[in-house]
Amino acid sequence: ETGVTQTPRHLVMGMTNKKSLKCEQHLGHNAMYWYKQSAKKPLELMFVYSLEERVENNSVPSRFSPECPNSSHLFLHLHTLQPEDSALYLCASSQGALAGGVEQFFGPGTRLTVL
Amino acid sequence: QKEVEQNSGPLSVPEGAIASLNCTYSDRGSQSFFWYRQYSGKSPELIMSIYSNGDKEDGRFTAQLNKASQYVSLLIRDSQPSDSATYLCAVNIEGYSTLTFGKGTMLLVSP
Repeated sequence: ETGVTQTPRHLVMGMTNKKSLKCEQHLGHNAMYWYKQSAKKPLELMFVYSLEERVENNSVPSRFSPECPNSSHLFLHLHTLQPEDSALYLCASSQGALAGGVEQFFGPGTRLTVL
Repeated sequence: QKEVEQNSGPLSVPEGAIASLNCTYSDRGSQSFFWYRQYSGKSPELIMSIYSNGDKEDGRFTAQLNKASQYVSLLIRDSQPSDSATYLCAVNIEGYSTLTFGKGTMLLVSP
């Protein structure tokens, strides 16, 4: 266990549904990240939050909406997704973000299937 | 365009052998380098980080960095079947918050 938890671990949703992914870190870190991992592709960074402020939004479609209410919690709100959004969604945290060179620790991921 | 290249494999080695995993990166401003191990169906697990040229050893793992050649490698000595996984190389540029990942190399260690 890395100290980063994610719920749910598996999610199946229709294209018209609204759902949320939750991430919680117990490491005292101040930066959190959302990544998408699709088959045959590198990990894709989606969002970065540092000290609860979004510092990076990597051209992600608006049907993905992140929320970071405090430094321990991160959400990814999903609505009107497409089948190509089916993937493993990974949350990570680190101590420090903008300085770079920091080690990121990943949660177990949410396997999302969009029908 | 920041790129990190890895041979997708699979790299097959017999138990007890040395496995050598390689990674090249395109951006000369890259400062920090990480190796993650990812078992099938699991999330990436950080196993090594290296920041300066040369070798860094941790148990059976050795990371090697050559910034002039823009090359970083991971050696696994005395490979075990439990080392069978996909190994991801990740690179960070100083002053930026993000890691750029390669697609990963699948390692298969046969008993």
